[in-house]
Amino acid sequence: GAVVSQHPSRVICKSGTSVKIECRSLDFQATTMFWYRQFPKQSLMLMATSNEGSKATYEQGVEKDKFLINHASLTLSTLTVTSAHPEDSSFYICSARGLAGGEPDTQYFGPGTRLTVL
Amino acid sequence: SQKIEQNSEALNIQEGKTATLTCNYTNYSPAYLQWYRQDPGRGPVFLLLIRENEKEKRKERLKVTFDTTLKQSLFHITASQPADSATYLCALLYSSASKIIFGSGTRLSIRP
Repeated sequence: GAVVSQHPSRVICKSGTSVKIECRSLDFQATTMFWYRQFPKQSLMLMATSNEGSKATYEQGVEKDKFLINHASLTLSTLTVTSAHPEDSSFYICSARGLAGGEPDTQYFGPGTRLTVL
Repeated sequence: SQKIEQNSEALNIQEGKTATLTCNYTNYSPAYLQWYRQDPGRGPVFLLLIRENEKEKRKERLKVTFDTTLKQSLFHITASQPADSATYLCALLYSSASKIIFGSGTRLSIRP
């Protein structure tokens, strides 16, 4: 099946610094990528949807200036958490969806990135 | 707004038995309903998709049902094994291009 990778898998940073997380679709072209955040024992919360070459669409309550998303190519999207604070500590997961067909294309999820802000 | 409820936060069953997980939703029926498996510290893995006009879908030891009258999906794992222990997420998709809405998940534990 399709593989989505994320890097790094874990990151610890100091408050006030910025962190970039990469999401790559390894064997398919992802026209749409999604970024989720998951707190312990909670479900995945969609943060934003990005289509290649266009600006991301953010969910209500998600600050676009804080969570910068770039979807520069059909295989790469990046999420940058700017001026991170302890409350941004969470598990960030990306997913990728391929070219649309008659069926809904399955979203393939990355392994996630654990962000800890000290 | 749409709500998804996975009734049991946790479910413990004996190996070999059938595990049944429940997903209920409010408001409109989705075009597609999906089930994912998520292991601790990992991203979700897609298991099965069922359309609103389908009543049942099977894949190996997995079976999903979709009742749009009851606004409910049931997810069954037959002949359960300890390796099936994980969190299972129900997810709704309203069109092929729409975003997925996830339930909070049921943590399934299969004891030997």
